[in-house]
Amino acid sequence: SQKIEQNSEALNIQEGKTATLTCNYTNYSPAYLQWYRQDPGRGPVFLLLIRENEKEKRKERLKVTFDTTLKQSLFHITASQPADSATYLCALHSGGYQKVTFGIGTKLQVIP
Amino acid sequence: DVKVTQSSRYLVKRTGEKVFLECVQDMDHENMFWYRQDPGLGLRLIYFSYDVKMKEKGDIPEGYSVSREKKERFSLILESASTNQTSMYLCASKGASGRATDTQYFGPGTRLTVL
Repeated sequence: SQKIEQNSEALNIQEGKTATLTCNYTNYSPAYLQWYRQDPGRGPVFLLLIRENEKEKRKERLKVTFDTTLKQSLFHITASQPADSATYLCALHSGGYQKVTFGIGTKLQVIP
Repeated sequence: DVKVTQSSRYLVKRTGEKVFLECVQDMDHENMFWYRQDPGLGLRLIYFSYDVKMKEKGDIPEGYSVSREKKERFSLILESASTNQTSMYLCASKGASGRATDTQYFGPGTRLTVL
């Protein structure tokens, strides 16, 4: 069956360091993959989208990689700040069909 | 600035009541979605709609129905609320594939408690 795995354990990191979050998937051939940020009691907010033919995407302090051979995406936040503390969700879209499947998210805590 | 609004942030209902959750988007998006989010289970798709009066079941449609009479509005209906429908409900909208963005825009969520 199709599965998306994100570290359900919280990730604690010191301010200024690079945070790396992992999204693994099985039995998917996603056309693209997205990362969202969710703060407590709020809806997710889109951050980055990477397509299957792209290896890497950057936006300010954020970087996403997409390895369709390993079936994995890595999400990096460089020079992390306490304001980056949130839950980060990855989401896969298989193309054509409108449905997007979300992972359960990884909670990031940046410690001052 | 894009906007998805939901009718209530918090709602408390009793078992057996009929519950309406409303969602409105101002982006002229074709696609709208209803999710529920529960700890340890993440976001799960209940229903989505790709056009006015059109709907498709998601992963967990049982106990729910939807209505889309106008493009900007998508309603989720719990015909007879049960305690296991206590959850955070999130609405989202998205433009048609091939447009400049394929991202979903989420509303703030409605935390529903069924007693």
